Amino acid sequence: DTGVSQDPRHKITKRGQNVTFRCDPISEHNRLYWYRQTLGQGPEFLTYFQNEAQLEKSRLLSDRFSAERPKGSFSTLEIQRTEQGDSAMYLCASSPPSAFSYEQYFGPGTRLTVT
Amino acid sequence: QQPVQSPQAVILREGEDAVINCSSSKALYSVHWYRQKHGEAPVFLMILLKGGEQKGHEKISASFNEKKQQSSLYLTASQLSYSGTYFCGTEIWETSGSRLTFGEGTQLTVNP
Repeated sequence: DTGVSQDPRHKITKRGQNVTFRCDPISEHNRLYWYRQTLGQGPEFLTYFQNEAQLEKSRLLSDRFSAERPKGSFSTLEIQRTEQGDSAMYLCASSPPSAFSYEQYFGPGTRLTVT
Repeated sequence: QQPVQSPQAVILREGEDAVINCSSSKALYSVHWYRQKHGEAPVFLMILLKGGEQKGHEKISASFNEKKQQSSLYLTASQLSYSGTYFCGTEIWETSGSRLTFGEGTQLTVNP
């Protein structure tokens, strides 16, 4: 059974550069989520897709962040003009189709370091 | 609003029991429990839905008090592998199916 995969696992970039992360959800999972986690904190919601539609974005997500899920399968998260405060673990999760129960399965994450 | 977890940390000897609590100020649709080991992704343990349905781990149990908007995770006969940080994630009615809001976590250490 293949879980959620994310690429790359680690990314070091200089301040001001753009970065893009990829997430491949579990097959047939129609819901996909992006979270950000900093040391000692729980994951913090960024955005959510149902199939290819982006249905919710956190107010914390600045204009420098954009996410897509063009064909309702994999998703990308892009951060433009990175800042040191963007350094964090970026987690992707997916959830199977359901009428009422939305358990989320997380991928291994992409650790971003902005220098 | 972020749920509040207690305790912040607990240390056990192998075989002992522990309870981790999660409370919210908002009406909850569901509570999700995860365990995260250092440097790894959160692992799904259990979901508790309003109305009593549960899905999750065979060796871990949990409760959901809908009136008090509280959930408790029960770890019995703890094993070394139970060590990690436990997070509750809450889902409110208005955004069910979308975001989870996570607590700050409870760090559990199980010693031999």
